[in-house]
Amino acid sequence: QVQLVESGGGVVQPGGSLRLSCAASGFPFSTYDMHWVRQPPGKGLEWVAYIRSDEGSIYYADSVKGRFTISRDNSKNTVFLQMNSLRAEDTAVYYCAKDFWSGFFDYWGPGTLVAVSS
Amino acid sequence: EIVMTQSPATLSVSPGERATLSCRASQSVGSNLAWYQQKPGQAPRLLIYGASTRAIGIPARFSGSGSGTEFTLAISSLQSEDFAVYYCQQYNNWPPWTFGQGTKVEIQ
Repeated sequence: QVQLVESGGGVVQPGGSLRLSCAASGFPFSTYDMHWVRQPPGKGLEWVAYIRSDEGSIYYADSVKGRFTISRDNSKNTVFLQMNSLRAEDTAVYYCAKDFWSGFFDYWGPGTLVAVSS
Repeated sequence: EIVMTQSPATLSVSPGERATLSCRASQSVGSNLAWYQQKPGQAPRLLIYGASTRAIGIPARFSGSGSGTEFTLAISSLQSEDFAVYYCQQYNNWPPWTFGQGTKVEIQ
């Protein structure tokens, strides 16, 4: 069965960095596009970043452009989110999500919490 | 950017009753609309895609309809496990992929 498991979250000071990972299994990872979606505490869902299966296309939300970098390692079935210059408003649960070839998200990981606080 | 607006923010329904949730897009998204269910402390779960196609394992009491800018998610007879927050999401014009702000379905 499809599994996505995020890791790497934690508490970081403003201006700091974190690298999130999402380990995938149960499907041919190298043929699917992947996303990161976040959810601030008590709030709604916000799409963050996208990477095509072959890394040929990458997109970011305006709120993270220039600070976050998405990447993937198809040999390790893993997608990453490098987060730099973190701000208090980046505090959220970060989910990785599998794209169903059309732009909706058919599987989600359980999420990892990132808290930016001094 | 396409803005998705859901209504109402909160819907109070008794178990066994029907619930109807609305989602409006700021411009046409065709049928490229998905619905998700999220329970406290859990990740969202895909319910509906293509505006009206149920995802694998989703009970028939969930149905989606609409196209263009107006969409509806209906739950025909609410079960206890259906009390949750529901989000719509458009995938017609991207980036960005955009979500509505959510509708909370609570027990009346």
